[in-house]
Amino acid sequence: DTGVSQNPRHKITKRGQNVTFRCDPISEHNRLYWYRQTLGQGPEFLTYFQNEAQLEKSRLLSDRFSAERPKGSFSTLEIQRTEQGDSAMYLCASSPPSGGSTDTQYFGPGTRLTVL
Amino acid sequence: AQSVTQPDIHITVSEGASLELRCNYSYGATPYLFWYVQSPGQGLQLLLKYFSGDTLVQGIKGFEAEFKRSQSSFNLRKPSVHWSDAAEYFCAVGAGVTGGGNKLTFGTGTQLKVEL
Repeated sequence: DTGVSQNPRHKITKRGQNVTFRCDPISEHNRLYWYRQTLGQGPEFLTYFQNEAQLEKSRLLSDRFSAERPKGSFSTLEIQRTEQGDSAMYLCASSPPSGGSTDTQYFGPGTRLTVL
Repeated sequence: AQSVTQPDIHITVSEGASLELRCNYSYGATPYLFWYVQSPGQGLQLLLKYFSGDTLVQGIKGFEAEFKRSQSSFNLRKPSVHWSDAAEYFCAVGAGVTGGGNKLTFGTGTQLKVEL
């Protein structure tokens, strides 16, 4: 396994611009998660996919955020009209189709977003 | 809703000394508990997890944790710390989500510094 990969690793943008991040999970992992981590905090759950279906979204995920996983493989997270409060590390994790609630999530290195 | 408290924001220990990182959780059902470590520029790496059974669980890198239901705690321990253990440590509790899978709620983390 090559692990979970995320691109880009860093993104600097101006307020009001749109940004898109990509996550490639470990192959054959059907579950994919997005988390957001701000400075001095632990990661916070944003959304969850099983295959291509988005099954749960946090209230943290405002209307400006949208996530997709069109073919059940890679996923994208788009933020429209970015705000300075969106500055954070965006983490992706994947897990295999096995244990359900007991499965282990494998995290990628994250995309650090800075909104100027 | 579930929550995790890590009371120590920073801990400094000497190399070779023992380590205990505290974690308290709040969850209404049987908790699924995890400890992750995060080094700069790297993703979260799972150290160990508890689902059921033996309350003392062994993990990677010589870490162990003990689940104490009566105290709602899941403290992480290591008998002898190495300089390479310097990192940020996160405790997390998992809750099931629609369709299976596991939504993690993290604590705010404990930053470990190791003095040589």
